[in-house]
Amino acid sequence: LAKTTQPISMDSYEGQEVNITCSHNNIATNDYITWYQQFPSQGPRFIIQGYKTKVTNEVASLFIPADRKSSTLSLPRVSLSDTAVYYCLVGDTGRRALTFGSGTRLQVQP
Amino acid sequence: DTGVSQDPRHKITKRGQNVTFRCDPISEHNRLYWYRQTLGQGPEFLTYFQNEAQLEKSRLLSDRFSAERPKGSFSTLEIQRTEQGDSAMYLCASSLGLAANTGELFFGEGSRLTVL
Repeated sequence: LAKTTQPISMDSYEGQEVNITCSHNNIATNDYITWYQQFPSQGPRFIIQGYKTKVTNEVASLFIPADRKSSTLSLPRVSLSDTAVYYCLVGDTGRRALTFGSGTRLQVQP
Repeated sequence: DTGVSQDPRHKITKRGQNVTFRCDPISEHNRLYWYRQTLGQGPEFLTYFQNEAQLEKSRLLSDRFSAERPKGSFSTLEIQRTEQGDSAMYLCASSLGLAANTGELFFGEGSRLTVL
């Protein structure tokens, strides 16, 4: 399974753009990159998934370089409610269950 | 509510007792997952079903843990002879697993277990 490395924590202010980068040097050909958000005492919630280049949805963008050894989750104009833990997962969900790492704790301040 | 539901939400038990958690996935989802999460850590994979078949089980799962999904719908996770180290949040997730790589898991709110 591809191992992921992401910062333990990040701080930001309301209205700023936040970029969280995840390293996954041994990503396999069939692996997708998926990001989840988790608030305290709740289950994780899917944010975005991608395979290569750029993916954008209503809440975030995901940038994946050509070598796919890293990915960056971009949250535009964060608010206090974006304070949460963000997990980067890499894997082939068609074959195996995804493994979560320790995540990045994002703290958004006023 | 058509999301993943788990029951009970909280369970306090004494060491040595057995506990059982239930998960009702989203109705059309054929894949169901169990994870365990302790404070400050990411969810740890326990086991995974596709329909009624248990396809994957973590090596970390001792023989005190057993999970079933008898009719490919709801699932139960039983822990026998609980230990204090079993105290954690037990999370269930489901997905519509297709041949393609979907990746989107829908999690329930979890069942918090406290073993005294």
